[in-house]
Amino acid sequence: GIQVEQSPPDLILQEGANSTLRCNFSDSVNNLQWFHQNPWGQLINLFYIPSGTKQNGRLSATTVATERYSLLYISSSQTTDSGVYFCAAGVSKLSFGAGTTVTVRA
Amino acid sequence: DSGVTQTPKHLITATGQRVTLRCSPRSGDLSVYWYQQSLDQGLQFLIQYYNGEERAKGNILERFSAQQFPDLHSELNLSSLELGDSALYFCASSFRALSTGELFFGEGSRLTVL
Repeated sequence: GIQVEQSPPDLILQEGANSTLRCNFSDSVNNLQWFHQNPWGQLINLFYIPSGTKQNGRLSATTVATERYSLLYISSSQTTDSGVYFCAAGVSKLSFGAGTTVTVRA
Repeated sequence: DSGVTQTPKHLITATGQRVTLRCSPRSGDLSVYWYQQSLDQGLQFLIQYYNGEERAKGNILERFSAQQFPDLHSELNLSSLELGDSALYFCASSFRALSTGELFFGEGSRLTVL
């Protein structure tokens, strides 16, 4: 199956800082999604982005399918951005990376 | 609210027992996926159903089984439970089958096996 690697595994930010999370995947995919898992365990859809660039408020994402990676940008981070960010990629099913744990300090 | 409903939200049971987790997909979605999230294994794909038929299988144990009913809701049955089965079980749904489409996850069912 498709291997998905995320980096960094952990990220500590001061409120207001910007950051970039990376996701590499091992093979061609037609589906790539970013999720945020909040402290209550809910998986929240952030982006469905098999290719191209999308923006939603302070978050944006870019997927370069030909080079098999995706980036998630968090700008002007807030404490509510804390949690685990997952990248998932695949064709007939989604394979998840191990996640990046983001802690935003006030 | 993703529109995917899972019940129960929490479940505590003993080793050797059997439990059933239920999932109702978003209105109009034909595919249902089950994932298991444990501390040591991360988020693992278990099984997918599309319009009542099994479509893909992942790391699902033989003690586990699932089905999707004509009204498109799905059930995941876990039997002969072991301590290591304690995990958060997610259901997700999408409209498509082969190309997955955007997945929407329910809030999960947290299973604790004592």
